[in-house]
Parts: sequence; C-alpha cells; structure tokens
Amino acid sequence: AQSVSQHNHHVILSEAASLELGCNYSYGGTVNLFWYVQYPGQHLQLLLKYFSGDPLVKGIKGFEAEFIKSKFSFNLRKPSVQWSDTAEYFCAVKGNTGFQKLVFGTGTRLLVSP
Amino acid sequence: GAGVSQSPSNKVTEKGKDVELRCDPISGHTALYWYRQSLGQGLEFLIYFQGNSAPDKSGLPSDRFSAERTGGSVSTLTIQRTQQEDSAVYLCASTSRPNTEAFFGQGTRLTVV
Repeated sequence: AQSVSQHNHHVILSEAASLELGCNYSYGGTVNLFWYVQYPGQHLQLLLKYFSGDPLVKGIKGFEAEFIKSKFSFNLRKPSVQWSDTAEYFCAVKGNTGFQKLVFGTGTRLLVSP
Repeated sequence: GAGVSQSPSNKVTEKGKDVELRCDPISGHTALYWYRQSLGQGLEFLIYFQGNSAPDKSGLPSDRFSAERTGGSVSTLTIQRTQQEDSAVYLCASTSRPNTEAFFGQGTRLTVV
C-alpha cells in the first residue's frame, strides 16, 4: 500500500524567502503525485500534479515540484514566498494503473510573516 | 453541479448518537473518496468508491463507520454511536478518470459533545 511522509510539520518564513517542502512516498509501482493547498477557511485545492513526462512540474502561483524517482521524492519549491502563501500544504500519491485510492501525507503548515 | 457539495457544513451531536454526512460529487464523476481531517493528523483516508466496483473500505477506523453510494452519485457516511474522538472535519472528493486530480468539497465539521 502506498504511503506519504512529509517531514516538515511547521515552517515559518519571512516574505521573499525561498521555500522547499519535503515529500517522500512509498509505493511499489508507478505513481501519480500531487500537492494540494488549503488556505485558511477554504477547501483543498490542487497546486500541481505529476503524471508522466518532465519530472519538473510547474503549478499555480509560482510553485514547482520535482519528481526524483530514485529518491521516491516530490519536493515542493517556490523561490520567493508571499504572505498570501500562508496555508497548509499536503502531498499525495496514488498508483497510476486504473482507479486507486489517493493517500495524503500529514501536511505542512506554512506561516509567512510580512 | 459545479463542485463537490457536502452537507451539513457543521454538525454538533451528543455522544452516542448516530450521524449521517452527505456528499454530492461533481456530475459525471465516477470515483468518490471520504477522508477525515483532524488537527495534526493530516487527511486520513476512510473509503473509496469507484463505479460499480466494491468499495475500498480499508480506511474505516471501526465498524461504527459505514458509507454507501446510491446510483453511482450521492454518498452518505454514517457514524453510529458517535464518540468524542470522532470529532473532525470529514471531507469528500470526486474524480472523473484515473489520471486526473480529485476535487474536494468544503467538508463537514463534526463536533461530538
């Protein structure tokens, strides 16, 4: 069964700092990978996804993530964070053969101070 | 509909009572998930429906939890004899095809007192 580890539970940054949130997964086959974001008081929404092809994927609001198969990692990055990036970020994985369950990590709370 | 709809948005219930939470997925979406979100616990997978296949119930925490999906659309999550530890936000998501993202509803905040 697939599982996801997010090592940073709380991150505090100042505006303009660079961000990298770690995500490692465990699964025996090929995967689809996702980052979701939950802004305060809002529902979960997709930030970016990887299905196949270029392992460097770009999402909304300047976020990107790199799939490194050998490391089973899908870290999220942003070169310069803004106060509006304050949110909780979730990494998720599912096997990419047919319909399979989507499994999430425990999330990382990011606080960006102005 | 335009998005995944969950009702009620908030539910306060007494310990020992049964509750039903409803999810209306996006029209035409064949797969539906239920998750539980607790502080510090992330999103805990509960159950997954895909078309007419048998649901994946591997995440249900106890036999007090059950879910059904009628006609391949609306789903109801039932919690019997609620306990205080059941207090959480229950999220529903749906997806249309295997290699697409899941769309989430706003959730139902359940408080057991």
